[in-house]
Amino acid sequence: GQQVMQIPQYQHVQEGEDFTTYCNSSTTLSNIQWYKQRPGGHPVFLIQLVKSGEVKKQKRLTFQFGEAKKNSSLHITATQTTDVGTYFCAGPEGAQKLVFGQGTRLTINP
Amino acid sequence: GAVVSQHPSWVICKSGTSVKIECRSLDFQATTMFWYRQFPKQSLMLMATSNEGSKATYEQGVEKDKFLINHASLTLSTLTVTSAHPEDSSFYICSAPGLAGLGAKNIQYFGAGTRLSVL
Repeated sequence: GQQVMQIPQYQHVQEGEDFTTYCNSSTTLSNIQWYKQRPGGHPVFLIQLVKSGEVKKQKRLTFQFGEAKKNSSLHITATQTTDVGTYFCAGPEGAQKLVFGQGTRLTINP
Repeated sequence: GAVVSQHPSWVICKSGTSVKIECRSLDFQATTMFWYRQFPKQSLMLMATSNEGSKATYEQGVEKDKFLINHASLTLSTLTVTSAHPEDSSFYICSAPGLAGLGAKNIQYFGAGTRLSVL
């Protein structure tokens, strides 16, 4: 079946440093989605990318979808303590199912 | 955005008892809902797809008789962990697909999750 790999598994940064997580799919995706799960919380939808090579920004967060629509990245500029959490990418499987990556846990030293 | 309500948020039970978890879509209808299990510091593991008015579709390796799913209405799905044992202790989360606006399709709205501890 479809696999979504995400790296790194963990990332610890100093507040103010940048952070990037990468996502790779074993198959071409119609779209890719990103979710954030705060410690003790539940995943919350961040963004969906649909077009090949698409780049979207949300304040300090920049999301990219690869040209081949098999990989994606999330980059956070100048991290803040509020960015702490686990970031998951997810690709669709079938009509409504999502296959989630393993997630990247971001911790920040204030 | 759409809201998915999940109850209870946490439950402690004795080994051998059954626990029912409810997942409701509050302001939209969901013919499909998903049930996930998440171990500490790990990803979401899809357990089953709950289908309104029909049987749930279970992922490989998930015991149907252990994890009973009922989707009796367009806004409610329930997961019952039957004869719970300590190894069933985990974080269970439900989700429902919906629209996020700005053209986003089939994104998932998650409930707050249920932490189950089986003694």
